[in-house]
Amino acid sequence: DTGVSQDPRHKITKRGQNVTFRCDPISEHNRLYWYRQTLGQGPEFLTYFQNEAQLEKSRLLSDRFSAERPKGSFSTLEIQRTEQGDSAMYLCASSLRSDSSYEQYFGPGTRLTVT
Amino acid sequence: RKEVEQDPGPFNVPEGATVAFNCTYSNSASQSFFWYRQDCRKEPKLLMSVYSSGNEDGRFTAQLNRASQYISLLIRDSKLSDSATYLCVVIKSGGYQKVTFGTGTKLQVIP
Repeated sequence: DTGVSQDPRHKITKRGQNVTFRCDPISEHNRLYWYRQTLGQGPEFLTYFQNEAQLEKSRLLSDRFSAERPKGSFSTLEIQRTEQGDSAMYLCASSLRSDSSYEQYFGPGTRLTVT
Repeated sequence: RKEVEQDPGPFNVPEGATVAFNCTYSNSASQSFFWYRQDCRKEPKLLMSVYSSGNEDGRFTAQLNRASQYISLLIRDSKLSDSATYLCVVIKSGGYQKVTFGTGTKLQVIP
């Protein structure tokens, strides 16, 4: 299966700790997106990359959040000094930029619980 | 006003029924539209794109009304397996992308 993969699938951490999540997109996809989703809500856009360039970052993303995609392949999302409000599902998606489609394909997500 | 709005439901319909969902968007410059399906505690899965001319895939039909700024999803002959949350997505391009998901509409198909 060559779909989007995310690691870890679950993470439990104590408030104040740093966490890092990884996303491996579909291999030929040049766009990669990060979202956060809480219960009863739709995915909330955080940031996206085209190749290694971070093109857009949500105003909702505090300075504690940082994302990288150093070689234009996999990406990492780091949350520093976690807070209980950071508890959510963190979803990664990838797409192939083209003139006709922006279809995104999601990974299984990383469920973060901050205690 | 939210950028993308959906009726959260739940819509409880019997098997075999036809059900329709709408999704309204506020930014008239929006260019691309999609419907995703999300099962409980799973990731969203692309259901279908929404084209200006409408789009049909088996029992599913999606339509776009730019004048009134909404998209719709029609499901005919509902199956138990259609029970899920249906998310609409609106994308504005031109420069950087702006991707906005709705909160989703929950569908429960009843035997």
